[in-house]
Amino acid sequence: AQKVTQAQTEISVVEKEDVTLDCVYETRDTTYYLFWYKQPPSGELVFLIRRNSFDEQNEISGRYSWNFQKSTSSFNFTITASQVVDSAVYFCALSELVTGGGNKLTFGTGTQLKVEL
Amino acid sequence: DTGVSQNPRHKITKRGQNVTFRCDPISEHNRLYWYRQTLGQGPEFLTYFQNEAQLEKSRLLSDRFSAERPKGSFSTLEIQRTEQGDSAMYLCASSPRGGRHTDTQYFGPGTRLTVL
Repeated sequence: AQKVTQAQTEISVVEKEDVTLDCVYETRDTTYYLFWYKQPPSGELVFLIRRNSFDEQNEISGRYSWNFQKSTSSFNFTITASQVVDSAVYFCALSELVTGGGNKLTFGTGTQLKVEL
Repeated sequence: DTGVSQNPRHKITKRGQNVTFRCDPISEHNRLYWYRQTLGQGPEFLTYFQNEAQLEKSRLLSDRFSAERPKGSFSTLEIQRTEQGDSAMYLCASSPRGGRHTDTQYFGPGTRLTVL
């Protein structure tokens, strides 16, 4: 069965600090996607990134970067120079192919990030 | 391109009543998903549509739950004889089939259900 573990329940940092959110996953599939979503207090899940299991190249987007290591089944997310607006719950998710070609997502329990002044 | 919309945003009901939620996906997204999220947890998959066909259902979807997607556009999720354990945020997501963003699910704002 698919499983996603986000061991960090809550992280508090001071603005401008760097912070890394951990994600470890389990799957028997050879082809899958990994995702990160942000859920601010308003509640809407905001898509941040999708990574294909065949693509282990790390990615940087502005202050965000992602480190995908298939050997350790991890897909960690780093925010550089954190800002108060980064405060939210962050979810890591793993896809599983379903009938008809769709992908259902298995989410971790999320990491609450609090960035303080 | 407008995002996924859901109505109502909040619903309070008494135990035993029926409720129906609506989801309007991003136009031309032929895949639509429903998830349920309880406090402090990540969303859990409920069901999946490709166009009008319901192709996958989670065992979380008891007989009291039914979902439809007539004509492959908007979708409805109905819960009959609600129970207090049904209180949760119900999230809808849609994704395109093909293209650069294939299989990326874009979520709506959710419908928060409270069963008294």
